[in-house]
Amino acid sequence: EVQLVESGGGLVQPGGSLRLSCAATGFTFDDYAMHWVRQAPGKGLEWVSGISWNSGHIAYADSVKGRFTISRDNAKNSLYLQMNSLRAEDTAFYYCARDKNGYNFVYFDYWGQGTLVTVSS
Amino acid sequence: EIVLTQSPGTLSLSPGERVTLSCRASQRVSSNYLAWYQQKPGQAPRLLIYGASSRATGIPDRFSGSGSGTDFTLTISRLEPEDFAVYYCQQYGSSPQTFGQGTKVEIK
Repeated sequence: EVQLVESGGGLVQPGGSLRLSCAATGFTFDDYAMHWVRQAPGKGLEWVSGISWNSGHIAYADSVKGRFTISRDNAKNSLYLQMNSLRAEDTAFYYCARDKNGYNFVYFDYWGQGTLVTVSS
Repeated sequence: EIVLTQSPGTLSLSPGERVTLSCRASQRVSSNYLAWYQQKPGQAPRLLIYGASSRATGIPDRFSGSGSGTDFTLTISRLEPEDFAVYYCQQYGSSPQTFGQGTKVEIK
C-alpha cells in the first residue's frame, strides 16, 4: 500500500525557516517524481514544487522561487522541502504527492495527509 | 500560466441527482492533459480522472470526464452520499501545472 507521511510543520515567525519531510513506503520511490502542493486553510490547491526521480528536473512556483528548496534522498525514500524567508501567505497545509511519471511532471496519483505550516508572530 | 476557472462555485443537490461540473482554461490544454480530484473535509485530495477522460484506479464508473481544448467537464451520473465534496481540476500540459479554484457539491 502506498503511504506518504509528512512531518516538520509547525508555528514559525515571519522570516523564519522550516524543513518539511515526507516518508514514502509501499512503492519503489526512485521510480517516481514527487511534489509539494499546499492549501491555505479554507482555500484551493496550489502546486509548490516538483522533483524528478533523479533530481535532474526541478521546478518551483513563482511564489516560492528563491525561498524554497526541494530535495530527495532515494536511499531513505524521503522527500524534503526547505522553506526559508517564510511569509504569512505561506501559511497552509503542505501535501506531499506522487507523480504518475518519473521525469516529466504530470498528475498526482497519491497524496499524503498533509502537515500544517503556520507563519505568524 | 494557464488559468482554470471552475463553475459553478457551489452546487446544492440531492442524492441520486446527476451532476455536471465545468472547468474552463484560459488557453488550450496541451494533449488534453487535464485531471480531476475530489477532496472531502479534513482529507487529502484523491485522483478521479486523468487525461480528461480516463478514470483512475478504483474510481466508480458513475464518474466520467470529457472535453478538449479549453472546455472540460466532470459528470457524476448519480450522486451517492459519499460524493459530497469539493472537486478540483488540474492542467498538466503546460508548466507550471495549475489548479482550478474548486467546485463544492453540497447536500440540498
